This record gives sequence, structure tokens and C-alpha cells, in this order.
Amino acid sequence: EDQVTQSPEALRLQEGESSSLNCSYTVSGLRGLFWYRQDPGKGPEFLFTLHSAGEEKEKERLKATLTKKESFLHITAPKPEDSATYLCAVQPNYGGSQGNLIFGKGTKLSVKP
Amino acid sequence: ETGVTQTPRHLVMGMTNKKSLKCEQHLGHNAMYWYKQSAKKPLELMFVYSLEERVENNSVPSRFSPECPNSSHLFLHLHTLQPEDSALYLCASSQGGAATDTQYFGPGTRLTVL
Repeated sequence: EDQVTQSPEALRLQEGESSSLNCSYTVSGLRGLFWYRQDPGKGPEFLFTLHSAGEEKEKERLKATLTKKESFLHITAPKPEDSATYLCAVQPNYGGSQGNLIFGKGTKLSVKP
Repeated sequence: ETGVTQTPRHLVMGMTNKKSLKCEQHLGHNAMYWYKQSAKKPLELMFVYSLEERVENNSVPSRFSPECPNSSHLFLHLHTLQPEDSALYLCASSQGGAATDTQYFGPGTRLTVL
């Protein structure tokens, strides 16, 4: 069964304290892995797409990496405005699965000044 | 307007009411989606439309009825809902047909069923 597990469920950091969020997945074939950021009461905001093991992408203080079994979202020197829930999703690579994103439950990040 | 918009942003309805959620995308995309987001649960895909044809329906109860009149608009018609249907309903759109198809989300409609 295709599955996405994110850890930890919640993470509290001090401003400037770097850390990583984990997304483990099991899928019969991976078309793509997505990271989204979601603020309270809002829809998810797209951050990154990763396609193959070894791929990395960066945006400001965020860096996403991908292996065959998991992805990490590294946050370097976070600021309070980075506080949000970070969602991971995979898109399986089988026929008829257009749009079939499988989401994890998310990691709620709080960054204190 | 830019991106994906949803109206209303908040909706309170009784179990016997009929209401509709509206989604509009301004991105020129060909695929649109409805998701349900409940507390402590992952986003659940409800319906997928590609070029105005429904391509996926993930065993959603018939009290939810989608409509896609054109590639820019998507509706979710609601009737005789249950309190457990209270959730954030998210609309998304994507280009469609690509090897990897990024979905862009609207702000959601917070639905409360009394």
C-alpha cells in the first residue's frame, strides 16, 4: 500500500536553530515528491518538486533532498515567519493516477524568537 | 484575481440544507481537484477532473456532488451532510498531462455542519 509518513509531528525551534523534517514513503513507483507549506486557515503553498534520488532543491532557508525511501526538508537558521505546517506528498507512477497525490499528516513547525 | 480562488471562505449549514462551494482557477490549467482536510488526518482526494471530465472519484458519499462546467470552474454541491463532514475543503488545479504535475491550491472553504 502506498504510504507517506512524516516526522516529527511537531517541532519547536529557537530562531537560528537549524533542523530537518523527514518524509518517508513507500510507493510502487515514484513520479514525483512534493513539499508544501500550509499556514493556519490557508491552502497549501507549493515549495518543491523532486523527481529522482540524489536530487536537491533550495529556496531561501529551505533545502529539500530525496533518496529512494525518504525526503528531508532542511531548515537553516529559521526565523519566526517559517512557522507553519509542512506537508509532503508523493505522486505514484502508475497508469490512471493523474493527480493522485498521497499526502502525509504534516509536521507543525514553531520557531520562537 | 490570480491563482486559485474559492468561495465562500466559511460556511455553516444544517444537516438538511443544500449549499455549493465554488472554485475558480486563473492559471490556464486543464485539471482540477477537490480535497477534504480534517484535523489530524492527511489531505484526502475526493474528485479529479481533467478537461472537464471526471477521471477519479475516491468512494465519496453521494451527498457530495461535483460539477465542472469548464476548465476554469469547479463546484462541489452539498446536501444532507453529516456533522463528520465538517472540514476544510480545498480546491486545486494543475496543468495536467505532464510526467510530474504540480498542483496549486486555493485558500479553502471552512465548512461546519450543525
